[in-house]
Amino acid sequence: GQQLNQSPQSMFIQEGEDVSMNCTSSSIFNTWLWYKQDPGEGPVLLIALYKAGELTSNGRLTAQFGITRKDSFLNISASIPSDVGIYFCAGQPTGTASKLTFGTGTRLQVTL
Amino acid sequence: DTEVTQTPKHLVMGMTNKKSLKCEQHMGHRAMYWYKQKAKKPPELMFVYSYEKLSINESVPSRFSPECPNSSLLNLHLHALQPEDSALYLCASSPLGSDTQYFGPGTRLTVL
Repeated sequence: GQQLNQSPQSMFIQEGEDVSMNCTSSSIFNTWLWYKQDPGEGPVLLIALYKAGELTSNGRLTAQFGITRKDSFLNISASIPSDVGIYFCAGQPTGTASKLTFGTGTRLQVTL
Repeated sequence: DTEVTQTPKHLVMGMTNKKSLKCEQHMGHRAMYWYKQKAKKPPELMFVYSYEKLSINESVPSRFSPECPNSSLLNLHLHALQPEDSALYLCASSPLGSDTQYFGPGTRLTVL
């Protein structure tokens, strides 16, 4: 099925650094969601975005719904070791009720 | 409470076995989903239930049989699976009219 372009594919950063990742699509999206997944566990919802231009924070996490409705980014400030995991963006394209399209994932590794 | 529970956590089965995966949510969500996830890949949608009725089947082989006994429960019956069906099986739910899906912790299935 269709996947979103998510970058970077992986990141190795030091504890305390800020992180930025993004997702882009050729289609217009109604919703953007950001999930974090630990190995062997289910994705955990971090932030949900519903309107173009919306900027939402959840602790050290900030995400934005792009003005064109075709992209979104997630920032993590002052990374800590427990931020390690795979981050997926997901969205619902217009006209595809009940179906989420997922990004390919960004694998984040944090070194001390 | 945004919790979706899944049992069992791990399952090993032979190709001739019949087994079932269970999913439960008590958030009053009327849409429930089954996903399959292979290592290092995003989740792939299998089935969607809306108001306990199957609304989407993503051309899943008949050896996977979903069932929604009531608004809180979702089962996935497995029969005559193949080794390539080994994966993490995720259940999710969402309020009807919302794109925001909440995932369970998953069942790690190994088919021998």
